[in-house]
Amino acid sequence: DVKVTQSSRYLVKRTGEKVFLECVQDMDHENMFWYRQDPGLGLRLIYFSYDVKMKEKGDIPEGYSVSREKKERFSLILESASTNQTSMYLCASSFYRVSGTGELFFGEGSRLTVL
Amino acid sequence: AQSVTQPDIHITVSEGASLELRCNYSYGATPYLFWYVQSPGQGLQLLLKYFSGDTLVQGIKGFEAEFKRSQSSFNLRKPSVHWSDAAEYFCAVGGMRSSASKIIFGSGTRLSIRP
Repeated sequence: DVKVTQSSRYLVKRTGEKVFLECVQDMDHENMFWYRQDPGLGLRLIYFSYDVKMKEKGDIPEGYSVSREKKERFSLILESASTNQTSMYLCASSFYRVSGTGELFFGEGSRLTVL
Repeated sequence: AQSVTQPDIHITVSEGASLELRCNYSYGATPYLFWYVQSPGQGLQLLLKYFSGDTLVQGIKGFEAEFKRSQSSFNLRKPSVHWSDAAEYFCAVGGMRSSASKIIFGSGTRLSIRP
């Protein structure tokens, strides 16, 4: 089975702190994604990556950055956390780059609270 | 504009009763449609997907969905729900040749089961 592991399930940080959310997948997928999930808004794409050291902005990249130094690992970085970044963050990976040919495999999520 | 609408925010059904969750989409090209389920405290898991062919697709856990092009709908159904089906359900749409990063998720429908 594909496993996508997010290192932290729950985090509490203070405004202005730098936050790292780590995601590791074990199925050699090239494609990895970070989503933000908020009630009533569904999932919104923050950043994605189709290859090592490659990154592309999604729909809501402001206030975030990412790092993909190894194929299996995709990190989301909040350079200076703000209260409006309090949310659930979901990492996903997929084998295929094209949406029509494959599914997304999701981690269990990281619930971040910024005080 | 491409979009996915799940008109029901929260639905409660009795255990053993039938279920239908609604999903309407707006997509300019041939849509590829998905239903994902998110159990409490978990990431999203693919229930089923429609790419082409038979408009009635079967998924895991006894779920099925019917694609109706004329109504731009992809409703999820289950003949008899179980308490373990309590979860949040997300409909999503992508395109045959579009990037996985372009998958659009609905805002979700939370399903509660009445004993």
